[in-house]
Amino acid sequence: GEDVEQSLFLSVREGDSSVINCTYTDSSSTYLYWYKQEPGAGLQLLTYIFSNMDMKQDQRLTVLLNKKDKHLSLRIADTQTGDSAIYFCAEGSYSSASKIIFGSGTRLSIRP
Amino acid sequence: DTGVSQNPRHKITKRGQNVTFRCDPISEHNRLYWYRQTLGQGPEFLTYFQNEAQLEKSRLLSDRFSAERPKGSFSTLEIQRTEQGDSAMYLCASSSDRPSSYNSPLHFGNGTRLTVT
Repeated sequence: GEDVEQSLFLSVREGDSSVINCTYTDSSSTYLYWYKQEPGAGLQLLTYIFSNMDMKQDQRLTVLLNKKDKHLSLRIADTQTGDSAIYFCAEGSYSSASKIIFGSGTRLSIRP
Repeated sequence: DTGVSQNPRHKITKRGQNVTFRCDPISEHNRLYWYRQTLGQGPEFLTYFQNEAQLEKSRLLSDRFSAERPKGSFSTLEIQRTEQGDSAMYLCASSSDRPSSYNSPLHFGNGTRLTVT
């Protein structure tokens, strides 16, 4: 079945760039999403990219999509302490509204 | 736009009791989803409504679980005869399928954390 995989942890120094990686298996995916979850809170949509795009930039966030390798990454420039959270990759299909699959999340921690 | 609202934020109940959660989606969203999230995991799909119609249910949704969206606006999720394994965060999300939104992403509420003792 469909699967989304992410590494569990990432630690970066404050001010450096963070790169969170994700791989997915469903070649019919139409949308790829990045969500952020802070402790005790729901998921906040950060950004998303259509499968016919290679890159999307939004302020400090850059999303790269390699559709051939089914690899998605989220780069956070100038990482700040407020970026500490769990980041979830998710993939969805326009043809099936309910078929949105989430990864297990990457916990990003920031070192001073 | 006040976002997706869920109540209560926390619920502690004894095993065997029934619980009901409520979700108020973003007002112009016609799609509503329930997800369950356990510690260290991503959200897992439970069920999905388009307007008032429940279009899909996951195999995770046992017969003790029932969800409704009677008027196509708010939704309730009821768990009967709760078990300790039901302890989790229950997340509601909404989206729109209208042309201007083109399958808009899911917008999540802050969840209801259920603890079954």
